[in-house]
Amino acid sequence: VQVVQSGGGLVQPGGSLRLSCAGTGFTFSDYAMSWVRQAPGRGLEWISFISSRGTTYYADSVKGRFIVSRDNVKNSVFLQMNNLRVEDTATYFCARSYSNSWLILDNWGQGTLVPVSS
Amino acid sequence: EIAMTQSPVTLSVSPGESATLSCRASQAISNKLAWYQQKPGQAPRLLIYGASTRATGVPARFSGSGSETEFTLTISSLQSDDFAVYFCQQYNHWPPWTFGQGTKVEIK
Repeated sequence: VQVVQSGGGLVQPGGSLRLSCAGTGFTFSDYAMSWVRQAPGRGLEWISFISSRGTTYYADSVKGRFIVSRDNVKNSVFLQMNNLRVEDTATYFCARSYSNSWLILDNWGQGTLVPVSS
Repeated sequence: EIAMTQSPVTLSVSPGESATLSCRASQAISNKLAWYQQKPGQAPRLLIYGASTRATGVPARFSGSGSETEFTLTISSLQSDDFAVYFCQQYNHWPPWTFGQGTKVEIK
């Protein structure tokens, strides 16, 4: 089982960025996926979830600005981040959830640093 | 939203000793609690779920206990590889799913 992230990089406030996450070694379409971020030197913050069937949830801090989607043919999940703010600066992790009902994150991507700065 | 509070913030332990980490939920969450370990520059790693079930490949020196609002992660006979930050996370009331702020286990 592997979760591999791509995308990321420096973006200006108000800008957009798309993160990608590919799952291998498991039946991707059977699993929910989630995004968790970590600001520099801080703790973990859950930000979005997409079930195996495509149901989505968002933290209030990103609702209306971020969109999570998945492509089960490409075994990938995506996080479209719009109207980025300085406070969105963080390392973003993609993770597989053990089940659709219980967010138990059993396999994590390597993380992608997203600095938001002018 | 369920608030998760971990204590202590930092725990200084000598190798070979045991460490006890606490996590408190602001509301009852049954046994819907997970523990993660994170080392510098790495992604978190799932250690425990269901409050007490070890994830695949996790050594038996890691044990979890508790229910409802009070939970404990015990690491017996600490090894050098165990010095890290540990986070608890509830998954009973969602969204949002919430994490504790972390406990850093450092070498004494």
